[in-house]
Amino acid sequence: QLQLQESGPGLVKPSETLSLTCTVSGGSISSSSYYWGWIRQPPGKGLEWIGSIYYSGSTYYNPSLKSRVTISVDTSKNQFSLKLSSVTAADTAVYYCASVEHDAQLGEWGQGTLVTVSS
Amino acid sequence: EIVLTQSPDFQSVTPKEKVTITCRASQSIGSSLHWYQQKPDQSPKLLIKYASQSISGVPSRFSGSGSGTDFTLTINSLEAEDAAAYYCHQSSSLPYTFGQGTKLEIK
Repeated sequence: QLQLQESGPGLVKPSETLSLTCTVSGGSISSSSYYWGWIRQPPGKGLEWIGSIYYSGSTYYNPSLKSRVTISVDTSKNQFSLKLSSVTAADTAVYYCASVEHDAQLGEWGQGTLVTVSS
Repeated sequence: EIVLTQSPDFQSVTPKEKVTITCRASQSIGSSLHWYQQKPDQSPKLLIKYASQSISGVPSRFSGSGSGTDFTLTINSLEAEDAAAYYCHQSSSLPYTFGQGTKLEIK
């Protein structure tokens, strides 16, 4: 069974770049069955789709974040990554990585990592 | 962007009750609607895919129905462990979106 684990700094200063990595185990990130996605959840609020990537490098970004987001994949390490630039307090959230089965449902999720934007 | 509106936002229910949560899409999404359960301090868990397809390991008291713009998640004979937030999610059209969530409290 797929397992996903987020890693990265829990505190980022305003205007800086948030960087997170998701490590996939129990399966290959190069599987044709999956896209790989990032989702975030501000404290006490709902879920927001950030974007997704295929192992080939094809990406989709939420237009609301597109100008600040970069998602990349490293098939040799079975990892994919998120970079969000020019962060503000509004970017404070729990960030989840997830497997996107057949570009549809989110089958497996990481445990999530809280990123706080504060000076 | 497709907007998903869930109702109710909050519901307090007793064990063994039948619970119905609805999700309405701002335009037709066929059956590309999925349901998740999120318990406190946990990541979301897939409950139902493509409106009505069951997921291995999910208790049979959870079921889904609907197509087009109107969808329903039903929990038969609610158990105390079902206290959680429930979210719908559409994969019909980018950007993928989520409903605002429905919080279930067990009395």
